[in-house]
This record gives sequence, structure tokens and C-alpha cells, in this order.
Amino acid sequence: AQSVSQHNHHVILSEAASLELGCNYSYGGTVNLFWYVQYPGQHLQLLLKYFSGDPLVKGIKGFEAEFIKSKFSFNLRKPSVQWSDTAEYFCAVMPWGIKAAGNKLTFGGGTRVLVKP
Amino acid sequence: DVKVTQSSRYLVKRTGEKVFLECVQDMDHENMFWYRQDPGLGLRLIYFSYDVKMKEKGDIPEGYSVSREKKERFSLILESASTNQTSMYLCASSPLTITDRELANYGYTFGSGTRLTVV
Repeated sequence: AQSVSQHNHHVILSEAASLELGCNYSYGGTVNLFWYVQYPGQHLQLLLKYFSGDPLVKGIKGFEAEFIKSKFSFNLRKPSVQWSDTAEYFCAVMPWGIKAAGNKLTFGGGTRVLVKP
Repeated sequence: DVKVTQSSRYLVKRTGEKVFLECVQDMDHENMFWYRQDPGLGLRLIYFSYDVKMKEKGDIPEGYSVSREKKERFSLILESASTNQTSMYLCASSPLTITDRELANYGYTFGSGTRLTVV
């Protein structure tokens, strides 16, 4: 079974600082990779996803993530954060090729990011 | 846009009560999921369903059951609520995709969550 590890539970930074959130997964085969965001009081939203091809993936709101297959990592980055980026961020993986019976996502523990104005 | 609607935003129940959490999606998705979200543990899959009357256990099914009598509705049932089931419960849906490219395009759609407190 697959598992996902997010290195930091809490990150506090100031506006305009750069953000990098670590994500490592454990799975013996090929995976699809996702980053979700949950803003305070809102539902989970998809930030970006890696399916195949270019390992550098760009998502919404200036976020990007890089898939490094040799390191089983999919780290999320943003060069300059804003107060509105305060949220909880979740990394998730789904095994490639399992299409029927659920397409199960496995999530990491989440990272709470607080951006101070 | 796909909408996944969870009937209650907040619930408070007593230990031993039978609890029903309801989820409805309006885009004819085959797959539906129930997760619970706890601080530091992220989202953990309780049960999922890929068709009417079909259900599969997730990673933490103990103490829960589900019902899917209609395609658009997926109910989570706590047969006898306990305090360790106090949590945020999230419902999600996705289409039954044929290819991974389709899946990558659609992903999951989540509801707003039900925060359940068992006292």
C-alpha cells in the first residue's frame, strides 16, 4: 500500500517570503501526484497535479511542484507568499493504472501554513 | 461545476447514538468516498463506493458502515458513536475514468465537511 509523508506540520512565514513544502511518498509503482489546499472554513481544492511528462508542474495561484522520481518526492513551492495563502496543504498520491473500484487517493498528514502580514 | 453537498456542517451527538452523515453529488459520478480529517493525520479513507450498492473498505472502516442506494447519495453510518469518532468528515466524488489522463483532468471534488462531536 502507498503512504505519504509531509515533513512539516506547521510553517509560519512573512509575506513575500518563499515557501517550500516537502512531500515524500512510498509506493513501488508509478503514481499520479496531487497537492490540495484547504483555506480556513472552506472545502479542499486542487492546487495542481502531476500526471506524466514535464516533472515541473504549475498550478493555480502561482504554485508549482517538482516531481523527482529518484527521491520519491513532490515538493510544493511558491516564490513569494501572500497573507491569503494561509491554509492547510495536503499532498496526495494515487497509483497509476488503477481505474476501477475507486481510484483511491492517499493523503499526507497536511501542513498548516500561516502567512503573517 | 460539480457540487458535493454534505447535509450538516456541524453535529453534536451522544456516545452510543446511531449517526447518519449524508452526502449528495449532482454530476453523475460513479465513485464516492468518505474520509475523516484529523490534525496531523491528514485525510484517511473510511469507505468508498464505485457503483450503486457497491462498497469497499478503506483504511479505517472499523466502527463505520455505508449505504449507497442511489448513485447520487452516499451515506456514512456510525452504528454506535464513540468519542474517538469526533472528527471532521469529508465526502468526495469522482468519475469512473477509463484512462489516467481523464482522471488527472477530473480529480476529486470534495464537500465542505461535517464536523462531528461525540460527547
